[in-house]
Amino acid sequence: EAGVAQSPRYKIIEKRQSVAFWCNPISGHATLYWYQQILGQGPKLLIQFQNNGVVDDSQLPKDRFSAERLKGVDSTLKIQPAKLEDSAVYLCASSEDGTNNSPLHFGNGTRLTVT
Amino acid sequence: AQSVSQHNHHVILSEAASLELGCNYSYGGTVNLFWYVQYPGQHLQLLLKYFSGDPLVKGIKGFEAEFIKSKFSFNLRKPSVQWSDTAEYFCAVNAGYGGATNKLIFGTGTLLAVQP
Repeated sequence: EAGVAQSPRYKIIEKRQSVAFWCNPISGHATLYWYQQILGQGPKLLIQFQNNGVVDDSQLPKDRFSAERLKGVDSTLKIQPAKLEDSAVYLCASSEDGTNNSPLHFGNGTRLTVT
Repeated sequence: AQSVSQHNHHVILSEAASLELGCNYSYGGTVNLFWYVQYPGQHLQLLLKYFSGDPLVKGIKGFEAEFIKSKFSFNLRKPSVQWSDTAEYFCAVNAGYGGATNKLIFGTGTLLAVQP
């Protein structure tokens, strides 16, 4: 099966600029996740969608980060304006459903550098 | 809040050496435990998982992990490592935190380098 697709692979922007990342989950997967992985740390969940609804966005900095999954398939994550501390790898993952028994499948991530 | 600690940040072994990576979590209730692996240039992938039953679980590529509830630990082991095991290993816990039934809390990762 095709895996989780993410683009772009790399992005370099200056602080205060905006950036958007795109994710296409595995076909048929109802649940989609965005994780942030800062260098030297483990991935941290930013937002979880079940179909096109938000299940958990408690750790999403909503003053600058936004995400949507309008048709319950693809998703975009946006940062506006970016700060230096947003430099990280942004991982998208999907699972068949949101239950504990449903393993997460990760994409290769987008490496963001904010200068 | 739940947390996961991985004590070894960087491990260097020779081929055929035995491996044990430590993982401790903080959560008093029922947990599901995972080890994920990220090979160089690849995406995170599931190595093994523990939900219930036999506390010794076996995963892919000869890896195994033992859940010790009294120690809040889920250490990863492999009797004989290969050069191809060079990767970063992440321990994760899923405690159904905040209503999100599949929210994983990851440790900081252990970078394993196996020398041929």
